[in-house]
Amino acid sequence: GQSLEQPSEVTAVEGAIVQINCTYQTSGFYGLSWYQQHDGGAPTFLSYNALDGLEETGRFSSFLSRSDSYGYLLLQELQMKDSASYFCAVRGFLGDSSYKLIFGSGTRLLVRP
Amino acid sequence: EAEVAQSPRYKITEKSQAVAFWCDPISGHATLYWYRQILGQGPELLVQFQDESVVDDSQLPKDRFSAERLKGVDSTLKIQPAELGDSAMYLCASSLLALPGPYEQYFGPGTRLTVT
Repeated sequence: GQSLEQPSEVTAVEGAIVQINCTYQTSGFYGLSWYQQHDGGAPTFLSYNALDGLEETGRFSSFLSRSDSYGYLLLQELQMKDSASYFCAVRGFLGDSSYKLIFGSGTRLLVRP
Repeated sequence: EAEVAQSPRYKITEKSQAVAFWCDPISGHATLYWYRQILGQGPELLVQFQDESVVDDSQLPKDRFSAERLKGVDSTLKIQPAELGDSAMYLCASSLLALPGPYEQYFGPGTRLTVT
């Protein structure tokens, strides 16, 4: 089966940098995704890593180390609007070229002025 | 910009009643997902469709939940009878494909269900 672990809550100051870690256990690895969800809102896709290394998209970067079953989301130049929950997710194989996403329990990020 | 549509946005029902949720995915998206999200937890997949076929419903409580996507476009999720523990956000999502890769899932706004 698959399982993911991420911290339940992180607090940081506006303008700072914060890293949200995710460790996973999975039978077969098909990529690590990150989603953002504001309170009362729907999850929105942030990034996807299939290979080791860093992927950068504006203020957000995501890192993957397949040998360590570990990834992180890095948020730079934090803004108040970044206060949200962040979920890492891995894909599970369903067969017939079909896959499903398994989400972690989420990290609640609070950005303070 | 294309969006996933869901209705209703909010639903309050009494236990033992029937309730139904509707989802219209982004046009052209073959894969449709229904998730349940309990406050403070991540989304949990209930059922996944590829076109009109169910490819995974291993977490769907089949004694009370049912889902269909008859023409491979919009979908309905039904609960009958509803129980107090069903109170949650029900999210629908769609994607172009269900393959590994940056085939991101687009989520609808969800239906907040409260069972009293």
